Amino acid sequence: AQTVTQSQPEMSVQEAETVTLSCTYDTSESDYYLFWYKQPPSRQMILVIRQEAYKQQNATENRFSVNFQKAAKSFSLKISDSQLGDAAMYFCAYRGSSGSARQLTFGSGTQLTVLP
Amino acid sequence: NAGVTQTPKFQVLKTGQSMTLQCAQDMNHNSMYWYRQDPGMGLRLIYYSASEGTTDKGEVPNGYNVSRLNKREFSLRLESAAPSQTSVYFCASSEWDRNNSPLHFGNGTRLTVT
Repeated sequence: AQTVTQSQPEMSVQEAETVTLSCTYDTSESDYYLFWYKQPPSRQMILVIRQEAYKQQNATENRFSVNFQKAAKSFSLKISDSQLGDAAMYFCAYRGSSGSARQLTFGSGTQLTVLP
Repeated sequence: NAGVTQTPKFQVLKTGQSMTLQCAQDMNHNSMYWYRQDPGMGLRLIYYSASEGTTDKGEVPNGYNVSRLNKREFSLRLESAAPSQTSVYFCASSEWDRNNSPLHFGNGTRLTVT
């Protein structure tokens, strides 16, 4: 079974600064998909960004970008110009391309605090 | 456009009681899911329905049953609740259960079993 590891249970960043959240995964597949979700205190799960493994170019969505290192099986999320509204739990998720691996597997999450 | 709606938002059960969590989506999605979220463990898949008429077990199916009532609705039933089932439950849907099709989540149900 695939595993997704987020080794930083908690992180903090000063408002307007940049922070990087780490995620690694274990897989034997070559074709897969990676996602970052955000869960603010409202409990709603919100898609932040996604990346296809076959794409070499790193995905970006406004202030959010990823550093996808396929050989290292690493998928980190960079938040630039951090805002108070970015404070949330962030989950990394993996989806494989065949069988039961097609269902999303989530990491344990990183709680991000944004300091004013 | 409500997205994914799940009810109730909160529920307290006694050990041995049963209940059904309801979920409906209005995005014409083919695939639906039930996850549970526990502290320090992320979200774990309980059951999923890749398409109308099919259901499959996820990572933690024991103690649960599901019904894909139609394309819109996917319910989760606890036949005999146990304290270990105290958790936050999320329903989600996606256009397909593959590729980069993202999941859209409901707002969650906080269930406490005493």
